[in-house]
Amino acid sequence: GENVEQHPSTLSVQEGDSAVIKCTYSDSASNYFPWYKQELGKGPQLIIDIRSNVGEKKDQRIAVTLNKTAKHFSLHITETQPEDSAVYFCAASFGQGGSEKLVFGKGTKLTVNP
Amino acid sequence: NAGVMQNPRHLVRRRGQEARLRCSPMKGHSHVYWYRQLPEEGLKFMVYLQKENIIDESGMPKERFSAEFPKEGPSILRIQQVVRGDSAAYFCASSVAGETQYFGPGTRLLVL
Repeated sequence: GENVEQHPSTLSVQEGDSAVIKCTYSDSASNYFPWYKQELGKGPQLIIDIRSNVGEKKDQRIAVTLNKTAKHFSLHITETQPEDSAVYFCAASFGQGGSEKLVFGKGTKLTVNP
Repeated sequence: NAGVMQNPRHLVRRRGQEARLRCSPMKGHSHVYWYRQLPEEGLKFMVYLQKENIIDESGMPKERFSAEFPKEGPSILRIQQVVRGDSAAYFCASSVAGETQYFGPGTRLLVL
C-alpha cells in the first residue's frame, strides 16, 4: 500500500544544535520527496525537495538525503534557530496511472529552545 | 506573483448543510490537488484535477464529496449534507505538470 512513516513525532533541541527527521516509504516507484514546514494556522510551505536521481541536496542550513535501496530519506537542519520551530512533514509521490499525488507522514513537531 | 488562493479561510456549517470551498491556483498552474488535514495529523490526499478533468479521485469519500476545475474560474470542492466528522482543514495545492506542489492557506471547516 501507499504509506510514509515519519519519526520522531516530537523533537526538542537547543538553539544552535542540529535536528534530524527520518522517513521511510513503501513504494519503490516513488521518485519525488518534498519536505514541508507548517506553522500554526498556515498552509504547508515547501522547504526542500529531492528527486530519486540524486542522493543528497543542500540549501544553506537544510539538507535532505535519500537512500533508494532502503526506501529511506531524512531532513537535516543545522544551527537551529527559534524560528525553525514548527511542524515538519515529509512526503513521497505516488504516480500510478498518471497521478502525481503526495502521501504525507504524520509530522514532526520541532521545538527549538532559546 | 500571487500564490495559491483559497476562500473562505474559515467556514461554519450546521449538520446537513452544504459547504463549498474555492481554490485559485498560482498563475500558470493547470494542476490542482485537494488534501484534508485532521487535527494533529498529516495531510491526506483527496483528489487531483486538471482543467475540466478529474485525474485521480482515489482519496475522495464515495458519497457527498465532489470536486471540479472548470475551464474558467477556481476549483471547487463541494461537500453536501455535512456531518461533524467533516470538520477539518482543507488545503489546495497547485503545480505545473510533474513539478512542485505549492499549497494555499487552507479553509478551516467547522460543522456544528
